[in-house]
Order: sequence, then C-alpha cells, then structure tokens
Amino acid sequence: GDSVTQMEGPVTLSEEAFLTINCTYTATGYPSLFWYVQYPGEGLQLLLKATKADDKGSNKGFEATYRKETTSFHLEKGSVQVSDSAVYFCALSPPGSYIPTFGRGTSLIVHP
Amino acid sequence: DVKVTQSSRYLVKRTGEKVFLECVQDMDHENMFWYRQDPGLGLRLIYFSYDVKMKEKGDIPEGYSVSREKKERFSLILESASTNQTSMYLCASSSQGTDTNIQYFGAGTRLSVL
Repeated sequence: GDSVTQMEGPVTLSEEAFLTINCTYTATGYPSLFWYVQYPGEGLQLLLKATKADDKGSNKGFEATYRKETTSFHLEKGSVQVSDSAVYFCALSPPGSYIPTFGRGTSLIVHP
Repeated sequence: DVKVTQSSRYLVKRTGEKVFLECVQDMDHENMFWYRQDPGLGLRLIYFSYDVKMKEKGDIPEGYSVSREKKERFSLILESASTNQTSMYLCASSSQGTDTNIQYFGAGTRLSVL
C-alpha cells in the first residue's frame, strides 16, 4: 500500500538557519503531495502542495519540489524563525481517492 | 475560510463511560474524517464519511462508532471508553469538488480516560 516516510525529529535549529525535512513516498500512479503544519495546541493546516512531477509548492518561505524519479518531496526553508516551531507532516493522496496517507510528523524547534 | 469546529478542547472521562465527540464544518464539504494522533504514531484514520448517513471504517475503527445525520456534523462515539483511548482526536473535512485532496482540520480534542 501507499506509505510516507519522513525524518524523525526533533529537528533543532537556531534562528536564521537553513531547514530541510526529508520526505519520501511509495505509491502507485501519480499522487498529489502535501506538507501540513501543526502549531502547538492547534490542528493541522495545509502549508503547501504539488500535484504533478517537477511542480514546486511554496508558501511562507517554505518550498518543496515533487521529484518523481526519487519519490521525494523534501521541505526546505532558507531562514527559519522561532515562529516556525511546529510539527510538520508530509502526506500523499492517490488520484481519485479522498483518503490521504500521512507521515508520522517531524517536530521542528527553533531557538532564538 | 473553512472552519472546522470541535466541541471540546479537553475532556476527562471515566472508564466505561459513553463519550461523544462532536465536529461541525461550515463549508458544505461532503467528506468528513476522524483521526487519532499519538506521539510517534502520527495520524491514524478511525472513520470517514463521504455523504450523509454514509460511513466507512478507517485503519483503527475498533471501539469507536460514528454518526452523520447532517452534512455539516460528524460525531465520534466511544461506546465504552477505555484507558487506551486516551489520545488527541482530530476531525477533518474535505470537498469532492475542486481541491478534493486538501483536508481542513479542527483544533483537536484531547481526551483523557481515567
């Protein structure tokens, strides 16, 4: 079945550091790919998405590129802020399915 | 903006009690979902519904049931709460129209069963 693997956390960075959170997936066909973010005490919210190979999703300084050849969708940000501290979930949705598959989440802690 | 509202942020119940978790969405979404979130396990799907009065089992339906009598409301029921159901419960909704794969989440209900 479909699966999403993301790096275990927590990832601890200083403010203004470069961020990468790795995400790889296994799926048949061409799924849509997502990053969701969960701030403390809140539910998940969509951060960015990509629906086909080589698409780049971006939002709030975060970016991720849909790489079909490596089945990856790594999340990057050039300069993190304390306010980026949250849990980040990678997810996929197969074509024609309403049910996404989520990774286990990666906690990001940014220190001043 | 889509709003998904869960009736309680925190609940404390006793073992054996019947527990109702309520979720309401205001964007006329057809699909609604219940997940539980546990440390190290991520999100696990309990039940989902793609229409009024329709329900489908997710990955971990045992010990739970659901009710969807109205399009905007999806209830999760713990028939007899047990301590291993202590968890964070998240409700989500999504559309069957455009952006069908984007899920909108509530803030969660943290349930403690003593």
